[in-house]
Amino acid sequence: EPEVTQTPSHQVTQMGQEVILRCVPISNHLYFYWYRQILGQKVEFLVSFYNNEISEKSEIFDDQFSVERPDGSNFTLKIRSTKLEDSAMYFCASRQTGEETQYFGPGTRLLVL
Amino acid sequence: AQKVTQAQTEISVVEKEDVTLDCVYETRDTTYYLFWYKQPPSGELVFLIRRNSFDEQNEISGRYSWNFQKSTSSFNFTITASQVVDSAVYFCALSESSNTGKLIFGQGTTLQVKP
Repeated sequence: EPEVTQTPSHQVTQMGQEVILRCVPISNHLYFYWYRQILGQKVEFLVSFYNNEISEKSEIFDDQFSVERPDGSNFTLKIRSTKLEDSAMYFCASRQTGEETQYFGPGTRLLVL
Repeated sequence: AQKVTQAQTEISVVEKEDVTLDCVYETRDTTYYLFWYKQPPSGELVFLIRRNSFDEQNEISGRYSWNFQKSTSSFNFTITASQVVDSAVYFCALSESSNTGKLIFGQGTTLQVKP
């Protein structure tokens, strides 16, 4: 069964460093999303992406964040200068056209020291 | 404004008990979708069910059942004869047809099933 994959599973970084989180959505899906979950809290929407552009972003998704689909399979989230409060689990999700269900990857746990 | 409320923060039951997880939502859209996801201790988000706003039929899948009531804006989830493997955090979520499909999640309910 096709799955969303994410790498790395864990990342530790120093405050101020740039991180890139990678996702490979399910191959025939065209809508992509990033969410984050601070430890013990709810899952929060960050950004949606369709047709090679951002279709919606939340207040959390400020200028420090960017997304890209560098090739036909990867979907990346970049945090330019990480802050302590960026420590969270980051989930990628994708869905098909005409289908409302999003399928999530296993997440990347980011720890900013 | 869209909002999902899961008032139960934690529930603890003994194996074989039935348990109901509550979800109440707010939306101005007439077409929307409701979801339940399970987050086991390993951390991934596992899709359980989707319900469309125009389909109020309740659904049963094995030990799981869902009760969707538009009149009370609720989409409750019942596990019958709970098992230890059901221990997880359960999230209710909403997406509206008028937006990009983003999911609005509730706070989650932590279910602990004791042997």
